[in-house]
Amino acid sequence: LAKTTQPISMDSYEGQEVNITCSHNNIATNDYITWYQQFPSQGPRFIIQGYKTKVTNEVASLFIPADRKSSTLSLPRVSLSDTAVYYCLGGATNKLIFGTGTLLAVQP
Amino acid sequence: EAQVTQNPRYLITVTGKKLTVTCSQNMNHEYMSWYRQDPGLGLRQIYYSMNVEVTDKGDVPEGYKVSRKEKRNFPLILESPSPNQTSLYFCASRRGGLDTGELFFGEGSRLTVL
Repeated sequence: LAKTTQPISMDSYEGQEVNITCSHNNIATNDYITWYQQFPSQGPRFIIQGYKTKVTNEVASLFIPADRKSSTLSLPRVSLSDTAVYYCLGGATNKLIFGTGTLLAVQP
Repeated sequence: EAQVTQNPRYLITVTGKKLTVTCSQNMNHEYMSWYRQDPGLGLRQIYYSMNVEVTDKGDVPEGYKVSRKEKRNFPLILESPSPNQTSLYFCASRRGGLDTGELFFGEGSRLTVL
């Protein structure tokens, strides 16, 4: 099972690009890496998923190096509404292990 | 609208009084799971179910039971709640098999055990 490690918190300002890195311990060959966003008093919401190299969607990019021992979620030009907790998830089948999450605080 | 619905959203109970938190999804998902969220500990998986009548333990199953008699429902049962089960609980569902798609979460159920 892939245990993940993320920074506890990060600060940013509106309009900046934010990169949150997650380390994956013992990630399996067939494990995907998934990121979720959670606002207070709400359930987590899917952001992006990838297996290797780079994946981009309308809200974020995900960079995964060749060794797949880490991944970086990139949020372009953050706004105040991006203030949330971001979870990195290793594995995608049965037992799912979320990290403790990274609290991103975006300031004006 | 595709959704995962949990009830109750808030509950205050006393030690030892059995309770059930219901979870229902309308997406015909095979996979369902329960998590608890505590300050500083993130999300921890309690139980999961790959399909009807198929359930298995997650990381923190002690003190909880689940059942999966129907595809859409996955109730979480606390037979004898204790104060250390005070937490925010989330139910989630996903397409089954080896699918790696996104988890859909409910809005959460905040439980307080006195």
